[in-house]
Amino acid sequence: RKEVEQDPGPFNVPEGATVAFNCTYSNSASQSFFWYRQDCRKEPKLLMSVYSSGNEDGRFTAQLNRASQYISLLIRDSKLSDSATYLCVVRGPSLDTGRRALTFGSGTRLQVQP
Amino acid sequence: EAGVVQSPRYKIIEKKQPVAFWCNPISGHNTLYWYLQNLGQGPELLIRYENEEAVDDSQLPKDRFSAERLKGVDSTLKIQPAELGDSAVYLCASSFSAFTDTQYFGPGTRLTVL
Repeated sequence: RKEVEQDPGPFNVPEGATVAFNCTYSNSASQSFFWYRQDCRKEPKLLMSVYSSGNEDGRFTAQLNRASQYISLLIRDSKLSDSATYLCVVRGPSLDTGRRALTFGSGTRLQVQP
Repeated sequence: EAGVVQSPRYKIIEKKQPVAFWCNPISGHNTLYWYLQNLGQGPELLIRYENEEAVDDSQLPKDRFSAERLKGVDSTLKIQPAELGDSAVYLCASSFSAFTDTQYFGPGTRLTVL
């Protein structure tokens, strides 16, 4: 089982739609949580951190449920420019190595269509 | 401010040949990471440096991969000899410190082994 699991998609949505991505992590000792965005053939870039109380940044809302080991990202009013792969990222001791590191999910691909 | 610089951006080699990748982190960033990203997957950590010390190389295949960061700034990652399965994107990232700061990624080197 992967440490961080995401639905690979693709999610094909029309402009203006609301779309939600989910992510589960297997290590209960994980400490910090993030969403990164990766455009096609580009490097990952931090989109937002995820806090236990939930947090919002414009059209983006991230939530964390530590009890269920579940993270979500909600995008409202989707834009064409939101088309990308969204990587769920967890920081904490790796189940494989025991060392603190970032562990990335495989990503969920979003395609916003006109 | 300049971001993480990597070169070359693309490299095509035949199997059994050696190859090297270079990374220049963001100025002042003490922590440097090398990641491998296969198609459709998230980045996977190969090695992490704190200044010039490799503090986590547990996922680096040491039979053929080596890395160095001699003066605690630039870093090189080498594969010798390359195998077909090494075809991937090699990403370098840096952060001010290891556990609390955002990692910034370079554009990556796309390696194709024929």
